[in-house]
Amino acid sequence: DTGVSQNPRHKITKRGQNVTFRCDPISEHNRLYWYRQTLGQGPEFLTYFQNEAQLEKSRLLSDRFSAERPKGSFSTLEIQRTEQGDSAMYLCASSPQTSTDTQYFGPGTRLTVL
Amino acid sequence: AQKVTQAQTEISVVEKEDVTLDCVYETRDTTYYLFWYKQPPSGELVFLIRRNSFDEQNEISGRYSWNFQKSTSSFNFTITASQVVDSAVYFCALSGPAGNNRKLIWGLGTSLAVNP
Repeated sequence: DTGVSQNPRHKITKRGQNVTFRCDPISEHNRLYWYRQTLGQGPEFLTYFQNEAQLEKSRLLSDRFSAERPKGSFSTLEIQRTEQGDSAMYLCASSPQTSTDTQYFGPGTRLTVL
Repeated sequence: AQKVTQAQTEISVVEKEDVTLDCVYETRDTTYYLFWYKQPPSGELVFLIRRNSFDEQNEISGRYSWNFQKSTSSFNFTITASQVVDSAVYFCALSGPAGNNRKLIWGLGTSLAVNP
């Protein structure tokens, strides 16, 4: 049984470029979460999927951010026209839809916007 | 509104010392869940424990123990006989009732350094 995987692990991009990150959850976990973590802070919730439905988006998720989970399995997070303030660790977590729906995290994608 | 406070930003101990990490939470929900995660230097968040609001029993797992007190809205974490491998940032987190979006609300974390 593999854990949550995220790709790429690191991404360096120039301001104004678009970037896309991928998250593969633990198989059969139908809940998937994206968080963002900056240095010295705890993670902040970005968005949540139950199967393929995006059920909640944080106000942190500006119009430049979009997330999808087209078949209820892997998810992608795209940032358009990146800004230096987007530099952060982007974390993905998945959980089963049970009473013990603990979230398990992937290794994260560290984004650096130059 | 939900909030988690970890007042200790950094703690430094010598190996084999016991150390307690504090966590205080705020919520209006009567049913909620509390978590502790460990984030070692590699960056990946590792789940340690989950506790629901109706279960106030303390829990022990090896050198780790957790003290949940609803009366003081606290969920403290103690490491007994600390080891260098315990060096990490530890986060306390809170989520709402089952059935809703179970997004986690996080504290700022406590950075623990265990020195040989």
